[in-house]
Amino acid sequence: TQLLEQSPQFLSIQEGENLTVYCNSSSVFSSLQWYRQEPGEGPVLLVTVVTGGEVKKLKRLTFQFGDARKDSSLHITAAQPGDTGLYLCAGGENNDMRFGAGTRLTVKP
Amino acid sequence: NAGVMQNPRHLVRRRGQEARLRCSPMKGHSHVYWYRQLPEEGLKFMVYLQKENIIDESGMPKERFSAEFPKEGPSILRIQQVVRGDSAAYFCASSRAGGLRVYEQYFGPGTRLTVT
Repeated sequence: TQLLEQSPQFLSIQEGENLTVYCNSSSVFSSLQWYRQEPGEGPVLLVTVVTGGEVKKLKRLTFQFGDARKDSSLHITAAQPGDTGLYLCAGGENNDMRFGAGTRLTVKP
Repeated sequence: NAGVMQNPRHLVRRRGQEARLRCSPMKGHSHVYWYRQLPEEGLKFMVYLQKENIIDESGMPKERFSAEFPKEGPSILRIQQVVRGDSAAYFCASSRAGGLRVYEQYFGPGTRLTVT
């Protein structure tokens, strides 16, 4: 079983600050996804990365896949209260995906 | 395209009753996954199914829990003789069978089960 560790587990910051959260594993993944889940809702897919070293940007969010395809980071610039939620990474092979425990982000106005 | 649909959204059962949770995957998706989430926690994998086949049920308790994905109709997660500890949000996700982006899972809104 491939295990994904996410850090930090909890993060509380002020509006306007920057932050980075991490997703690490000892296993190599063919792809890795990031999701955001808001209270009372299902997770929503943000991005998929597949190539080692790949960087993808989604407005103020920057996702990076490690060169060895074992880790990933999510950087948020100028965080806003609307960014509050649980950020989950998922990785695996083909249809066999596993999720990390998530980083719970709170952005205070 | 309709997304992943789950019903009911909220389900209340007394201890000892049966709970049936339904999931209709996105159009074009034939793989279904069930996850359980306790408050303030992450997603815990339960079972992965294709049409008429259980591919991986390593995360599902051996007793009282079962899942199916028939040739026709939605996937069903069944919990027999529910106990208070079964109270949680249950999420279903679906993905394509093959080709590009086969690994991307799309989630439904969840069913919140409360056992009284």
